[in-house]
Amino acid sequence: EVQLLESGGGLVQPGGSLRLSCVASGITFSSYTMTWIRQAPGKGLEWVSALRGGDDGTEYLDSVKGRFTISRDNSKNTLYLQMNSLRADDSAVYYCVTVTGNYWGGPFNNWGQGTMVTVSS
Amino acid sequence: EIVLTQSPGTLSLSPGERATLSCRASQSVGSTWLAWYQQKVAQAPRLLLYGASNRAAGIPDRFSGSGSGTDFTLTISRLEPEDFAVYYCQQYGNSPPTFGGGTKVEIE
Repeated sequence: EVQLLESGGGLVQPGGSLRLSCVASGITFSSYTMTWIRQAPGKGLEWVSALRGGDDGTEYLDSVKGRFTISRDNSKNTLYLQMNSLRADDSAVYYCVTVTGNYWGGPFNNWGQGTMVTVSS
Repeated sequence: EIVLTQSPGTLSLSPGERATLSCRASQSVGSTWLAWYQQKVAQAPRLLLYGASNRAAGIPDRFSGSGSGTDFTLTISRLEPEDFAVYYCQQYGNSPPTFGGGTKVEIE
């Protein structure tokens, strides 16, 4: 059974930083393409970033480019999202998600339970 | 980016009825790059269909999908009590991947 466990969310002031973590089990982590998808309170889903399995290439939503960095530690089966220069509109539940298939954009087949990020003064 | 528009916003139906949900794309996503997800209250989304019509593992056959190009449909043949939720379509053929705004299927 695949399990994804996120942590690291919390309350941060505008301009601040947070690092989200996602520990994966039940998969050969190093070969999987992993993504972060967020959902603002009461809103829909928004893809944020992807880290491709194999070549470790990265993809970002335009609005987070230069502020967020996705990375992984295969020895710890852990995915990260370093978030800097946070803004109020980054407030959301952040989900760690695996990608099935050959393309990094989806579909998204295993989801963690999410971790809440609130950016507010 | 490709904008996905889902309709209706809310669908009020009774258990046992048929639900038909629409997803329209601002440009073609082909026939294989469209997925559907179900999200229940306070839960993470769950993949239902991919490639427009292929059911994900463990998804019952009352869920079916069709369409290509810019127009796609999710059909739930007979609603079960556990099917009342929000449904999202998603395209993954163009960057960035995008989601529709969702259709809420509620009990009438």
